[in-house]
Amino acid sequence: EPEVTQTPSHQVTQMGQEVILRCVPISNHLYFYWYRQILGQKVEFLVSFYNNEISEKSEIFDDQFSVERPDGSNFTLKIRSTKLEDSAMYFCASSVSRQETQYFGPGTRLLVL
Amino acid sequence: DQQVKQNSPSLSVQEGRISILNCDYTNSMFDYFLWYKKYPAEGPTFLISISSIKDKNEDGRFTVFLNKSAKHLSLHIVPSQPGDSAVYFCAASAGAGNMLTFGGGTRLMVKP
Repeated sequence: EPEVTQTPSHQVTQMGQEVILRCVPISNHLYFYWYRQILGQKVEFLVSFYNNEISEKSEIFDDQFSVERPDGSNFTLKIRSTKLEDSAMYFCASSVSRQETQYFGPGTRLLVL
Repeated sequence: DQQVKQNSPSLSVQEGRISILNCDYTNSMFDYFLWYKKYPAEGPTFLISISSIKDKNEDGRFTVFLNKSAKHLSLHIVPSQPGDSAVYFCAASAGAGNMLTFGGGTRLMVKP
């Protein structure tokens, strides 16, 4: 069964450094998403992406964040200058179309020191 | 942001019995609801969904019920199995957008 994959599984970085989290969505899916879950808190929506542009973003997704689909398979989340509070599990998801089920990857655990 | 709430942080059930997980929402614009299961160190796994035009959807051991007037949905698992032990999240989306709003999760423990 097709899966969403994410790399790396864990990332430790120093505050102020840039990180890039990578995702390979399910191949025939057209909508891509990033969510995060800070330890002990709810899963929160960050951004959705369709047709090479952001279709929706939350207030969390500020200028420090960006997303890109650099090729036909990868979908990336970049945090330009990490802060301590960016420490969280970051989940990528994809869906065939709007309003279809979103399937999640295993997550990347980001720790900012 | 408490648009989707799961008031029970945990639930313990004996194997073979029914597990009932509950979820309440406040945003009347939500029209699509999902349940996800999550194991530690893994991503949410889709279980079952329901559109607001229905009040029940069934898939094997899993049934989701939607009560729009009460803004309440529930997930029934019958019979419960030890492998069902996980954290269950309900999530909702509104027709105008496709972002999911999650509840806080309920940890289900199914005892052998």
